[in-house]
Amino acid sequence: SQQGEEDPQALSIQEGENATMNCSYKTSINNLQWYRQNSGRGLVHLILIRSNEREKHSGRLRVTLDTSKKSSSLLITASRAADTASYFCVRSGGSNYKLTFGKGTLLTVNP
Amino acid sequence: DAGVIQSPRHEVTEMGQEVTLRCKPISGHNSLFWYRQTMMRGLELLIYFNNNVPIDDSGMPEDRFSAKMPNASFSTLKIQPSEPRDSAVYFCASSPRQGANIQYFGAGTRLSVL
Repeated sequence: SQQGEEDPQALSIQEGENATMNCSYKTSINNLQWYRQNSGRGLVHLILIRSNEREKHSGRLRVTLDTSKKSSSLLITASRAADTASYFCVRSGGSNYKLTFGKGTLLTVNP
Repeated sequence: DAGVIQSPRHEVTEMGQEVTLRCKPISGHNSLFWYRQTMMRGLELLIYFNNNVPIDDSGMPEDRFSAKMPNASFSTLKIQPSEPRDSAVYFCASSPRQGANIQYFGAGTRLSVL
């Protein structure tokens, strides 16, 4: 199984602060994605980082990948109340279609 | 683009009844996925279609579950007979091509089996 651990399981911060979520996995990957899920909604793709990349940016998001440690992190800068959601680290490896989802980190941004 | 459309959004039924969940993928996407999400098990892939053909149904829990994709714009997931342990949120997702990896999710169907 490629399931790994997301850390922390829950994170509560104040608006304007940065939020960092981490993810570890066990087997090799082709790429790693982060998705967001607002309460009662479907998952939304945020960013994809390939196994040969180390860092990627998209707006207020910064993702890092360390394949030697089999870990990734998602940083959200200058958080907003609207960032309140669950964030999932999603691994892709082996098959060209199967994604493996973690249990997610529940981020609460307090106004 | 309307995104992936699922219906119904909520379904409450009694044990033993047949349940049919529906999905319309994004136009032009040729990969379709059905997932189940529960607190205990997280998000699980049930079945994957490519070009309307089921490729991987290893996640379908048992014979009570079946899925069809009669054409590129419609898929169904059927549970017959339903059981209380089937209560979960069921998501449909589509992807523009095999291997693209990025999946676009519908809003889900929350199923409660009493």
